[in-house]
Amino acid sequence: DTGVSQDPRHKITKRGQNVTFRCDPISEHNRLYWYRQTLGQGPEFLTYFQNEAQLEKSRLLSDRFSAERPKGSFSTLEIQRTEQGDSAMYLCASSFGGFPSTDTQYFGPGTRLTVL
Amino acid sequence: KQEVTQIPAALSVPEGENLVLNCSFTDSAIYNLQWFRQDPGKGLTSLLLIQSSQREQTSGRLNASLDKSSGRSTLYIAASQPGDSATYLCAVPRDDKIIFGKGTRLHILP
Repeated sequence: DTGVSQDPRHKITKRGQNVTFRCDPISEHNRLYWYRQTLGQGPEFLTYFQNEAQLEKSRLLSDRFSAERPKGSFSTLEIQRTEQGDSAMYLCASSFGGFPSTDTQYFGPGTRLTVL
Repeated sequence: KQEVTQIPAALSVPEGENLVLNCSFTDSAIYNLQWFRQDPGKGLTSLLLIQSSQREQTSGRLNASLDKSSGRSTLYIAASQPGDSATYLCAVPRDDKIIFGKGTRLHILP
C-alpha cells in the first residue's frame, strides 16, 4: 500500500453514461497525476496537477474528459458520454514535486473501467 | 521524443532459473530509471529506482543495471519463484511525467 487510494476499484457502465473516479493522494504531496492503461500497454500520461492548478493535459484527454483538484487535495476524473474505447485501467499517482532527479511518483491501485 | 521499449514482451521460465529482462530508451538524458511490477488487474509496485549517476541497484533477488550512454537497463531476477509471475514495467521520467514501456509479462512455471 503506497498511501494513494482510488475509488471505486471497479466500474462497469453502459455506453453513453457519465462516470467519475476519485483519487486521494499521499497527504503531503503537492502533485497529482492521472494515467490510463489499456490491455497489453504501459500506462500513458493523461494530466497532472500542482496543488489545485492543472498544469498539463495530454492530447489523449478528449473534450469528454475533465479532471479537477479543487482544494489541492483529492482529485476527480470525469468521463462524459463513455465509449467502449474508454475501457481501461485509470491510475492515479502523487509526488512531492521537488527536483526532477529525485521526485518519485507513488501509484494507487487503479480504477478499472468497463464500458459495455 | 522519449520512447521506452521492453524485450521480450512475454517470458516463461521454470522455477529456480535466473532471468534477465531488457529495457531500452531513445533519449539518454534521463534523471533516473524505475522498474515496476504489476499483478493482473492491479496497480503498480515500485521495485527499484536507479539514479542517472548510478550503475546498478539491488533489492533482495532483484538487481537492476543502467547504462545511460547506450540507453539500456536490465532487470536481473535470481532464483525465480512462482510468486514472481507478473508484468514488469520499465519507466523513465520526462517533463514531469513518466514514460513507460509496454512491459514484459513473466510466467514462472512451478
